[in-house]
Amino acid sequence: GAVVSQHPSRVICKSGTSVKIECRSLDFQATTMFWYRQFPKQSLMLMATSNEGSKATYEQGVEKDKFLINHASLTLSTLTVTSAHPEDSSFYICSALTSTEAFFGQGTRLTVV
Amino acid sequence: GNSVTQMEGPVTLSEEAFLTINCTYTATGYPSLFWYVQYPGEGLQLLLKATKADDKGSNKGFEATYRKETTSFHLEKGSVQVSDSAVYFCALSDFRISGGYQKVTFGTGTKLQVIP
Repeated sequence: GAVVSQHPSRVICKSGTSVKIECRSLDFQATTMFWYRQFPKQSLMLMATSNEGSKATYEQGVEKDKFLINHASLTLSTLTVTSAHPEDSSFYICSALTSTEAFFGQGTRLTVV
Repeated sequence: GNSVTQMEGPVTLSEEAFLTINCTYTATGYPSLFWYVQYPGEGLQLLLKATKADDKGSNKGFEATYRKETTSFHLEKGSVQVSDSAVYFCALSDFRISGGYQKVTFGTGTKLQVIP
């Protein structure tokens, strides 16, 4: 079946630095990918929809200048957390859809110290 | 808009007990319904799905039936194991290309803990 690979699985960074998270669809092309954030003991919050070759669509309340999304090819979307702060520490998950199913990456645990 | 309501957890069961996790939904159109499972420290994995009314999704002993009349998709398993301990998410999505927006809507998740 279709596979979505997310990297890195864990990252620790210093406050004020930027972190890039990659999401790849390994055996299918994904014109649209989604980025979610999961807070402890809570469900997934959709952050943005990443569209290949165009600007991402951000959900209300998500800072587009802080969470930069680039979808440069049909198999790769990246999320860059800029000037990270401890409150950005969270579990980030990407997703890509085929015509019948949503596939998820393994998730990235970001810890900002 | 679409929404998913899922029973609150945590749910604690003894091994071999019967499991039911309730899920109801609100949607325009005819969505596909899913159950995802998240094991500790991992991403989401599709557990089962159903794409139309009266379909039954099943996997690893888990089952759920798409009930359009009650807008429900309850997850069941006859005999749980310790290895089933995880968080379970009910979700829906309308994959119609013409809709132009293939968003997945999740419930809040239900944590299941199975004790020996």
